[in-house]
Amino acid sequence: QVRLVQSGAEVKKPGSSVKVSCTASGGSLSSFAISWVRQAPGQGLEWMGGTIPFFGSATYAQKFQGRLTVTTDESTRTAYMVLTGLKSEDTAIYYCARRGPAASFDNWGQGTLVTVSS
Amino acid sequence: EIVLTQSPGTLSLSPGERATLSCRASQSVSSTYLAWYQHKPGQAPRLLIYGASSRASDIPDRFSGSGSGTDFTLTISGLEPEDFAVYYCQHYGSPVYTFGPGTKVEI
Repeated sequence: QVRLVQSGAEVKKPGSSVKVSCTASGGSLSSFAISWVRQAPGQGLEWMGGTIPFFGSATYAQKFQGRLTVTTDESTRTAYMVLTGLKSEDTAIYYCARRGPAASFDNWGQGTLVTVSS
Repeated sequence: EIVLTQSPGTLSLSPGERATLSCRASQSVSSTYLAWYQHKPGQAPRLLIYGASSRASDIPDRFSGSGSGTDFTLTISGLEPEDFAVYYCQHYGSPVYTFGPGTKVEI
């Protein structure tokens, strides 16, 4: 059973960037699409973007176009999310999630808290 | 862009009661790509239902999903104490995913 293990909490200044990792423990990320979903305090789940493994590319929610980059390094079984131009509104828990049956998310990382504060 | 609306926002019930949660899409969507999740504080979301009505692995049969077109329903028949949580519907419309705002099921 593959477990997705995310990197630890981050505190960032406004305007800076954050990189969050998501490593597949006990298996491979190969051929799986990995998406990133966030939850701001008191808010619901928000899909940000995800990889498209067979094409080696990614797709992004319009809101994050130009600020978000998602990649996968299959040699280290790790997916990455880089969000630039951080604002206080980006304070949230960030989750990686594996695409499962019928484009659902059947396997989630434990979440990474990113706090943006001056 | 598809917008998902969930109702009610909060559902106050007791253990043993039946919960009926609604998810409405702004336009007709394929039921193939409609999923439901349970989310508890401090935990990752958990997939309950995919393809509108198929239960995910290890999900108890008290959880069931139904619907088509613009109206979808998650039913929990006989709430257990561990079922009190927030529930989200989610749709995939290539290439983007959309989540509903969630329904909180509280005691």
